[in-house]
Amino acid sequence: DAMVIQNPRYQVTQFGKPVTLSCSQTLNHNVMYWYQQKSSQAPKLLFHYYDKDFNNEADTPDNFQSRRPNTSFCFLDIRSPGLGDAAMYLCATRIDRRGQPQHFGDGTRLSIL
Amino acid sequence: GIQVEQSPPDLILQEGANSTLRCNFSDSVNNLQWFHQNPWGQLINLFYIPSGTKQNGRLSATTVATERYSLLYISSSQTTDSGVYFCAVHTGTASKLTFGTGTRLQVTL
Repeated sequence: DAMVIQNPRYQVTQFGKPVTLSCSQTLNHNVMYWYQQKSSQAPKLLFHYYDKDFNNEADTPDNFQSRRPNTSFCFLDIRSPGLGDAAMYLCATRIDRRGQPQHFGDGTRLSIL
Repeated sequence: GIQVEQSPPDLILQEGANSTLRCNFSDSVNNLQWFHQNPWGQLINLFYIPSGTKQNGRLSATTVATERYSLLYISSSQTTDSGVYFCAVHTGTASKLTFGTGTRLQVTL
């Protein structure tokens, strides 16, 4: 029944080794978002796709990138993860119509060794 | 950017007690959501409430957009209510979410 699916739930990578997190949706929503949530903090928006248009937040680090090959899938690529990138990464989707909420996946918890 | 403050930051309740969580925001918003983040990190949508009052079981929420605040009421609390409660406001054409500072709730037996 899960409508926004994030894989894997837990990801471990080495310092400096590129890592990709994935998000898929069955809702056919045109907007997809990636949030980063560090320990004991609130989620913070990294970027979003409005259809195929990529929109980066001003303070998102340069080593974070994203791809959206089609409506259903969106990827978060971290080119050279540092220890400070250890966090929960949350994907969300929304249909761009008045009065519609964002729907979140269960998140991927990323650890850096 | 918009500021979203929640109070109290921490709350400990005995099972069966009632509580009110508050969310203040500094500017006009398109919409507002309340979330419960459980101990496993899952963010559960509780309410989507731009204005007025909504109820869902033991939970209810009220947003007064003109006065820039929202309240979440939890009645007859249970241990499964433990976790962090976030409000988040929608702003801009893409309805980006800005999350509040959160309220950490612990319900004890």
